[in-house]
Amino acid sequence: QQQVKQSPQSLIVQKGGIPIINCAYENTAFDYFPWYQQFPGKGPALLIAIRPDVSEKKEGRFTISFNKSAKQFSLHIMDSQPGDSATYFCAARGANQAGTALIFGKGTTLSVSS
Amino acid sequence: DAGVIQSPRHEVTEMGQEVTLRCKPISGHNSLFWYRQTMMRGLELLIYFNNNVPIDDSGMPEDRFSAKMPNASFSTLKIQPSEPRDSAVYFCASSLRNLHDGYTFGSGTRLTVV
Repeated sequence: QQQVKQSPQSLIVQKGGIPIINCAYENTAFDYFPWYQQFPGKGPALLIAIRPDVSEKKEGRFTISFNKSAKQFSLHIMDSQPGDSATYFCAARGANQAGTALIFGKGTTLSVSS
Repeated sequence: DAGVIQSPRHEVTEMGQEVTLRCKPISGHNSLFWYRQTMMRGLELLIYFNNNVPIDDSGMPEDRFSAKMPNASFSTLKIQPSEPRDSAVYFCASSLRNLHDGYTFGSGTRLTVV
């Protein structure tokens, strides 16, 4: 119940393509769903986050789609660029618990070719 | 703001030796997290603190691992004795408790136990 399952493990797209990364969860107590971006040699950095009261959130070229009934959420990267090549992690956290921590998916390595 | 500061960046040690990893969280953040990253298991939560108090250490793999947070500006993760399977990148992150602002990660410590 505490897992967040992420797919695919790796993804290769051409510049301008729209990579989509999917995540699924079981714990209905989760109510905060961020995505993190990690470049080699660096720590993960918060990219965008969503709460389950909305079905979509956009920030620049990055969009989260959220399906509460299916317990799934996904990251879409519009007009992908070579600089977007990185590892992406989805995560989830419950809110109504005294002190909770993010549970991360296993990551998706994205390569955008020019 | 210098962000979350971890030291050392790289550590190579022999099996059986004691290893101490250090973390300075962002000033004002009152939650601190230790994660371990490997290719096989992704980002695993080891332990986290709220207001310097350990809340959940269920992710600490064995008694060989211990973590302390003696004050709001410093935390250590100690492995004694170290084993080759402890080789990984260890990340420290901090956040404001009860605010879904996400975590700020340090750059990590790459530990190699030979």
